[in-house]
Amino acid sequence: QQQVKQSPQSLIVQKGGISIINCAYENTAFDYFPWYQQFPGKGPALLIAIRPDVSEKKEGRFTISFNKSAKQFSLHIMDSQPGDSATYFCAASSSAYKYIFGTGTRLKVLA
Amino acid sequence: NAGVTQTPKFQVLKTGQSMTLQCAQDMNHNSMYWYRQDPGMGLRLIYYSASEGTTDKGEVPNGYNVSRLNKREFSLRLESAAPSQTSVYFCASGARYNQPQHFGDGTRLSIL
Repeated sequence: QQQVKQSPQSLIVQKGGISIINCAYENTAFDYFPWYQQFPGKGPALLIAIRPDVSEKKEGRFTISFNKSAKQFSLHIMDSQPGDSATYFCAASSSAYKYIFGTGTRLKVLA
Repeated sequence: NAGVTQTPKFQVLKTGQSMTLQCAQDMNHNSMYWYRQDPGMGLRLIYYSASEGTTDKGEVPNGYNVSRLNKREFSLRLESAAPSQTSVYFCASGARYNQPQHFGDGTRLSIL
């Protein structure tokens, strides 16, 4: 019940394409769903986050879609660029379980 | 504004040696966290401190101890290092559990 399942493990997208990463959770106590971006040799950095009272949040080329009934949320990267090549982690948090991270998706955007 | 600072950046230890990983944040955050990152396993919480003076176990606490020295500093200690503790360790801080966490750049630890 504490797991956050993330897919795919790796993703290759052409420049200008759409990258989609999915996450699913079990515990309905989670009430904060962030996405983090990590470049090699660096720590993860917050990309965008959503709370369960909204179904979608958009910031620039990055959009989170949230489906509370299905207990799923996804990250969409529009017009993907080579500079977006990184590892992406979804997470879910609650007062009891703090942050639970997904296992990560390694994205490569081809020029 | 440094954010979260971790020291050292790299370390090689022999099995059985001890060491302390240091972490400091300058964002006045209440909560601080220690994670380990291993290939294919994401970030796993070792210990966290919800506020100064409190610490709690996370998902993988065995073999580790922590100290919340003050509001700024949160250290992680390996008392008797084992090869299974070879990993990249990240410290993070945040205002509270449902707020963004800010990460340091990690300590890459190898235990031979």
